[in-house]
Amino acid sequence: QKEVEQNSGPLSVPEGAIASLNCTYSDRGSQSFFWYRQYSGKSPELIMFIYSNGDKEDGRFTAQLNKASQYVSLLIRDSQPSDSATYLCAVSGYRTGTASKLTFGTGTRLQVTL
Amino acid sequence: SQTIHQWPATLVQPVGSPLSLECTVEGTSNPNLYWYRQAAGRGLQLLFYSVGIGQISSEVPQNLSASRPQDRQFILSSKKLLLSDSGFYLCAWSAIWTSGSRTSDTQYFGPGTRLTVL
Repeated sequence: QKEVEQNSGPLSVPEGAIASLNCTYSDRGSQSFFWYRQYSGKSPELIMFIYSNGDKEDGRFTAQLNKASQYVSLLIRDSQPSDSATYLCAVSGYRTGTASKLTFGTGTRLQVTL
Repeated sequence: SQTIHQWPATLVQPVGSPLSLECTVEGTSNPNLYWYRQAAGRGLQLLFYSVGIGQISSEVPQNLSASRPQDRQFILSSKKLLLSDSGFYLCAWSAIWTSGSRTSDTQYFGPGTRLTVL
């Protein structure tokens, strides 16, 4: 059974601080790792993905991947109240010619306080 | 650019009634398509996926079925709804990308259908 684990939160950070969201996964064959943001009542929105060990930056967001530790994280710098949402971690092991099957964590709820 | 549509946006149905949810994608051809369900307070569960017209793979045995009558159309159905079918149903399409020697894909979600079975 492939599993993706996230702390459900809520994770509360003050405005302007760095929010750190963490995710562990069980399947060592996982190849791609995704972070989605989901506002209450809305569908998930892709923030970024990573597939190589190390850091990947996109604006205020940085994804970090450590395949040896089976760990992926998302850092949000200069957190804003609009970042308050549930963040979903997902992993997949894509094979050419087939459909990838994402396994999702249950999400971490982030609250950015004024 | 690609756009994914789902309808209806919300639906309230009695137990035992039939269900038909529709998803269409614009701006791409031969996408992989997916149906997920998100129950209240729970994670996303993959229900079905399709790599082409008429090709459906089921992930969870249940009273739901899926069909793909056209390249960019994906339909989720049930003959008789159960209370446990309530949830947020999400359709997704995926874009395949290649970077160097690596090929993978990225899934994008539609707006979803919120189904309440009473």
